[in-house]
Amino acid sequence: NAGVTQTPKFQVLKTGQSMTLQCAQDMNHNSMYWYRQDPGMGLRLIYYSASEGTTDKGEVPNGYNVSRLNKREFSLRLESAAPSQTSVYFCASSDGGGRGLGAKNIQYFGAGTRLSVL
Amino acid sequence: QKEVEQNSGPLSVPEGAIASLNCTYSDRGSQSFFWYRQYSGKSPELIMSIYSNGDKEDGRFTAQLNKASQYVSLLIRDSQPSDSATYLCAVNMVQSSASKIIFGSGTRLSIRP
Repeated sequence: NAGVTQTPKFQVLKTGQSMTLQCAQDMNHNSMYWYRQDPGMGLRLIYYSASEGTTDKGEVPNGYNVSRLNKREFSLRLESAAPSQTSVYFCASSDGGGRGLGAKNIQYFGAGTRLSVL
Repeated sequence: QKEVEQNSGPLSVPEGAIASLNCTYSDRGSQSFFWYRQYSGKSPELIMSIYSNGDKEDGRFTAQLNKASQYVSLLIRDSQPSDSATYLCAVNMVQSSASKIIFGSGTRLSIRP
């Protein structure tokens, strides 16, 4: 099992360009998450999907869109990249997170995508 | 007030001593609490989870939870250089339609020989 796989690992964009970060998990988890991590800020939740077909905003959703393509895949799109979106992006999945099932919600992380926007 | 707060450190502890990491949270309804370790340039990995008041021990690690005071702590006994990392406290917050994990900003721990 690969766990949680993110692509790409590194990306450099120019301001205004768009791109999609891909995430896939093979653990049959219902819930998937996108975080960004900036120095001294910990992990901040961008969007999450408690189950296939649903998505919800997290703490910092502005400038991003997501798609839960199927149970395995959850993508994050930057429509018009800005320098403030320079960060490390982590995808995670968990076996909890849905209504009434969130008591544990242990998260498993991908290796991260290091994004620079110039 | 941030939902999950940690002292950013760095916390410097001599090898072999006990490292104590603390975390407070704002949502009284939270039921699940986690400690993740993150080495520089790597992704977070779960080291402890705790769901009820009291202590939970796993090897050199002990998690402590006090829901009345809304704090959770992590003790690392016999600290080793390999324990040098950033430790993230995480709290599962249940909302009407789903639950989500909120992370603290992390405490950087350095074990000095």
